[in-house]
Amino acid sequence: GAVVSQHPSRVICKSGTSVKIECRSLDFQATTMFWYRQFPKKSLMLMATSNEGSKATYEQGVEKDKFLINHASLTLSTLTVTSAHPEDSSFYICSASLRADANQPQHFGDGTRLSIL
Amino acid sequence: AQSVAQPEDQVNVAEGNPLTVKCTYSVSGNPYLFWYVQYPNRGLQFLLKYITGDNLVKGSYGFEAEFNKSQTSFHLKKPSALVSDSALYFCAVRAGGSYIPTFGRGTSLIVHP
Repeated sequence: GAVVSQHPSRVICKSGTSVKIECRSLDFQATTMFWYRQFPKKSLMLMATSNEGSKATYEQGVEKDKFLINHASLTLSTLTVTSAHPEDSSFYICSASLRADANQPQHFGDGTRLSIL
Repeated sequence: AQSVAQPEDQVNVAEGNPLTVKCTYSVSGNPYLFWYVQYPNRGLQFLLKYITGDNLVKGSYGFEAEFNKSQTSFHLKKPSALVSDSALYFCAVRAGGSYIPTFGRGTSLIVHP
């Protein structure tokens, strides 16, 4: 089946550090990937849609300059949290579909637990 | 616009009993409906989907879901719950013309021994 790998699984770093999270589709090509943030009360918030070879589409209220997304190839999207602060601490999850069709399920990475001290 | 409601924050059920996790949706056009499960500190795993055809959809781990167009519902069910089914369950919908899914807020399922 379709596998999405997300790395690192956990990051602990000091305030002001920039952190890069990678999301790879291991056995399929993903023209579109999604980045989510999950809050402690479990709800998923879509942050942005990452499109290969073009700029990401950010959801309202998500700072583009804070959360940099790059989708340089059909198998890799990266999310960089720039100058991270404690309020950025969260669980970040990426996902991808086999095709950009509405009837395709999402395949999720295992998430990245980001803790900013 | 599309939306999903999971009216229950938490569902408690005894092991061996049937379980239902509720989901209702609102979408323009035909809905594509999905259920996902999330275990602690993991990403979401796909369980099953409804695209068209038979209203009763069978998925992984013995789960099934019933699509009810008149009630705009897609409840997740399992005839006999296991303790290992305890997890967070998300319902999601996509309209036919959109590739961006909308997720419900999730329901914690707790199966007691």
